[in-house]
Amino acid sequence: AQKVTQAQTEISVVEKEDVTLDCVYETRDTTYYLFWYKQPPSGELVFLIRRNSFDEQNEISGRYSWNFQKSTSSFNFTITASQVVDSAVYFCALSEPPGGYQKVTFGTGTKLQVIP
Amino acid sequence: DGGITQSPKYLFRKEGQNVTLSCEQNLNHDAMYWYRQDPGQGLRLIYYSQIVNDFQKGDIAEGYSVSREKKESFPLTVTSAQKNPTAFYLCAKLSGDTSENTEAFFGQGTRLTVV
Repeated sequence: AQKVTQAQTEISVVEKEDVTLDCVYETRDTTYYLFWYKQPPSGELVFLIRRNSFDEQNEISGRYSWNFQKSTSSFNFTITASQVVDSAVYFCALSEPPGGYQKVTFGTGTKLQVIP
Repeated sequence: DGGITQSPKYLFRKEGQNVTLSCEQNLNHDAMYWYRQDPGQGLRLIYYSQIVNDFQKGDIAEGYSVSREKKESFPLTVTSAQKNPTAFYLCAKLSGDTSENTEAFFGQGTRLTVV
């Protein structure tokens, strides 16, 4: 069975601070995908990143960066120099291997509040 | 919007009535999903479908039903058997049927309130 744990329920930071959102996952599959989504107050989930289980290279996209470590089953997300527009709920997700039915399991989310 | 449309955005129903939430996608993707979101509980999978006329129960399927008569449509019915139907419902489609570019796109969601 798959499981995604986001232990941080809510985080508050002051604008321009860096913040890291934690994600720990469990799976028996050797092939899987990890995702991060952002949910602003409007409700729609916005895709941020997908990572294949075979690719442990960290990724940076502007102020966003992701640290994937298979050894600790973690896929953490860091926002550098946070801005008020970053305020949202962030979800980490894990999908089963491709082919056949591909179930996507989400964590419970971390609510980030960036204070001006 | 990632090619997936949910309607309506807000829905009110009386207790005991069935209600159907619409989900349409325009990009010919096979896999579609319904999730329910409650405060503090993240997204929980209700049903998912890989192909037309076939679908699988997710983690919380009781009190819900779906159909997949057409590839582009995956409506969810919240039946009167669902004990606590008030929630935010999200439909998603998965791009990439096999090994590459697997990515889930979500609709805008439907907030269902049962009174």
